[in-house]
Parts: sequence; structure tokens; C-alpha cells
Amino acid sequence: RKEVEQDPGPFNVPEGATVAFNCTYSNSASQSFFWYRQDCRKEPKLLMSVYSSGNEDGRFTAQLNRASQYISLLIRDSKLSDSATYLCVVNGNSGYALNFGKGTSLLVTP
Amino acid sequence: EAQVTQNPRYLITVTGKKLTVTCSQNMNHEYMSWYRQDPGLGLRQIYYSMNVEVTDKGDVPEGYKVSRKEKRNFPLILESPSPNQTSLYFCASSPWGNTDTQYFGPGTRLTVL
Repeated sequence: RKEVEQDPGPFNVPEGATVAFNCTYSNSASQSFFWYRQDCRKEPKLLMSVYSSGNEDGRFTAQLNRASQYISLLIRDSKLSDSATYLCVVNGNSGYALNFGKGTSLLVTP
Repeated sequence: EAQVTQNPRYLITVTGKKLTVTCSQNMNHEYMSWYRQDPGLGLRQIYYSMNVEVTDKGDVPEGYKVSRKEKRNFPLILESPSPNQTSLYFCASSPWGNTDTQYFGPGTRLTVL
């Protein structure tokens, strides 16, 4: 089983739609969880950290379910500029390694 | 401006010709890391460093070397590049380990012929 798994998509949604991505992780000892955004051929950038109690940043909501070992990202009122690949990131087994999911591709259309 | 820089941004080379990709950060971060990104495989960690003179292997260290002689610099060395090392490489830094935000450099696209 891969350490971090995501549905690669692509998710094609119209502007204004609500879209949700899930991510599962295998290491029950993981303590840190993140969503990163990556535009085509660019570097990943932090979108938001994911806290146990769930957290919201504008149109974005992240939630963590430790019992089921999954993380979710909800995007409300999608904008064209939200089109990107969303990477789920979890800290790993060994030392200070980070494990990245392969990413979920989102395309928001007019 | 706080940033991570990488050089070169693009490189085409031939098998066996040693090369170094430089990475530098100006944020006084303890932790630095190298990743490669390949289609269908996502980002995979090559090496990371917790501090000066402290480095450790990531998931795919074979064929790579690193050094951390100064806090700000973390070069990636390919002693004898091979075509399977053709990839997009990212350097990243963070204040402390894997519990912090990673700040990524702009990437180096390497082609080994």
C-alpha cells in the first residue's frame, strides 16, 4: 500500500461548483498533514495545513479523520484560477521525511 | 525577498558527465530537501538535511550525493548521470523538519541523453 493515495482525477467542474478531494495515508503515527497546490510545471506551494479539528480558509476547508486515516479538501464556489493539481502531504515513517501523494488534477471550466 | 533558488533551471547533458545542481535559501531554515518529480510517480524525496553536516537518504537516493557545508546551501550532485535521472528536480527548505511548511525552489528540468 502506498503511503499517501489520491484519486488522480482529472476533476472537471464548472465555475461556481463545489468539489471535494480525498486522500488516504497508511502511517497511523503521522502527525502533520498538508495540502499543497501545484500549477503546471511550477513548484508546489502550501495551500493549507490540516488540523485535527478541521480548518477553513476562505473557500477552502480541510478535514482530518484519524480513525479512518483520510484527509479531505473541499473547495466551494470554484474559480477558473483554482485549476491546478492538489497534492496531499503527510509526514512519514522515518525521521523527517515527507510523503507526497501523486496529486489530484482539477480543471474549472467557464 | 524570502526565497529558495536553484541553478541551473534547465540542463541537457550526456550520460556520465558529472553535474551539480545548486540550491540556496535565504530564510535561515534548518531543514532542506531534494525531490524529483516524474509523471505518474509524483514527488519523491531524494535526500534531506536537518542541519549543517547532517544529511540523510530519502526514498530514492541511488545515483545522487548531497552536502551541507553551509546552512543556506544544499547542492545535489550527480557523479555519473544516466537517462533514468531525467526528471524535474525541486529543492525545498523549512524552518524545522517535516512538521513545517516546505518552501520550494522553482525547479530544475534535467535531461540526460
